[in-house]
Amino acid sequence: AQKVTQAQTEISVVEKEDVTLDCVYETRDTTYYLFWYKQPPSGELVFLIRRNSFDEQNEISGRYSWNFQKSTSSFNFTITASQVVDSAVYFCALSAINDYKLSFGAGTTVTVRA
Amino acid sequence: DAGVIQSPRHEVTEMGQEVTLRCKPISGHNSLFWYRQTMMRGLELLIYFNNNVPIDDSGMPEDRFSAKMPNASFSTLKIQPSEPRDSAVYFCASSGAGVGELFFGEGSRLTVL
Repeated sequence: AQKVTQAQTEISVVEKEDVTLDCVYETRDTTYYLFWYKQPPSGELVFLIRRNSFDEQNEISGRYSWNFQKSTSSFNFTITASQVVDSAVYFCALSAINDYKLSFGAGTTVTVRA
Repeated sequence: DAGVIQSPRHEVTEMGQEVTLRCKPISGHNSLFWYRQTMMRGLELLIYFNNNVPIDDSGMPEDRFSAKMPNASFSTLKIQPSEPRDSAVYFCASSGAGVGELFFGEGSRLTVL
């Protein structure tokens, strides 16, 4: 069975602060993918990143960065210098390799105040 | 390119009525998914199509729910008869070659009174 836990329900920060979203997962698969999706107020979920369990290198994309630690089964997401447009619900997800089924976490609501 | 298009965006209906939600996936994508989002249960996969064929409908709650994909550019999710507990946001998503890289529509918010 697969399980994704996002313990933080809501996070509120002031613009320009950094914010880190925690994601802890459980799986019996030896190979898997991890994902982050963003759900802005408009409603649609937007794909942000996919990470292969083989690759533990951290990744940076602009103000976004991801820290994958297999030893602790965590795939955390940091937004640096947050902006109001970052306000959204962020979902962490997990799937086995080549499996269409994503197991989503409950989501973390991020509110960035001006 | 247009994204995934869903209609209607909002639907309010009375218990017992039939509801049909529609989806146009991104052209060239061969996988289509219907998800349901509620506060209590989060995001749930209802059904998955690959090349217009239903592959996994184990997430469909009960016989009141049905989904079709008559061609590569159109899918429907039907609820008949609808019940108040069906109130949720229903998302359609499509995917091409990238495993797990789903492109979601803006969702159809259904309220059953």
